Amino acid sequence: DVKVTQSSRYLVKRTGEKVFLECVQDMDHENMFWYRQDPGLGLRLIYFSYDVKMKEKGDIPEGYSVSREKKERFSLILESASTNQTSMYLCASSLPFGSNQPQHFGDGTRLSIL
Amino acid sequence: EDQVTQSPEALRLQEGESSSLNCSYTVSGLRGLFWYRQDPGKGPEFLFTLYSAGEEKEKERLKATLTKKESFLHITAPKPEDSATYLCAVYAGGYQKVTFGTGTKLQVIP
Repeated sequence: DVKVTQSSRYLVKRTGEKVFLECVQDMDHENMFWYRQDPGLGLRLIYFSYDVKMKEKGDIPEGYSVSREKKERFSLILESASTNQTSMYLCASSLPFGSNQPQHFGDGTRLSIL
Repeated sequence: EDQVTQSPEALRLQEGESSSLNCSYTVSGLRGLFWYRQDPGKGPEFLFTLYSAGEEKEKERLKATLTKKESFLHITAPKPEDSATYLCAVYAGGYQKVTFGTGTKLQVIP
């Protein structure tokens, strides 16, 4: 079974802090993704990566950056946290584009910015 | 732009009362339609992939079907443990991102 592990289930930070969310997958997947999920808005793609050191913007990249130094690890960085970044953050991984295979998700990090 | 619309937004069933959830989609060149189950406070759990119209997949009390414009998730004789939000997503192939619907929240009452 695919295992996607997010480092924290719950996180509370203060406005202006730099926040790191970590994600590790154990299936040697090429693709990794970061989403945020808000009530009524569904899943919105922040960034994705299709290879080590490669990254692409999703639909809502503003205020975020990412890092992928190793194939199994994908980090999301909030450069200067703001209250409107309070949300559930979900990491996912998948086989390469074109394989038509589903994404597999971690259990999420519920982030509160005070 | 790819679009996915799920209905109803919420559904309340008595235990044993069968029903269907709908996922309507607009995509140029569907390469895969995915169904997920999401429990409160957890990430989506993959259920099925459907690739072409006419295809069906089954798992326990769930059966997913696909036409050229929509997919249905049929739930037969549901149990309280089937209560969850069910998400539908479509993939158009290549470097296209996956587009998710906003989900149907299912509650099964004993």
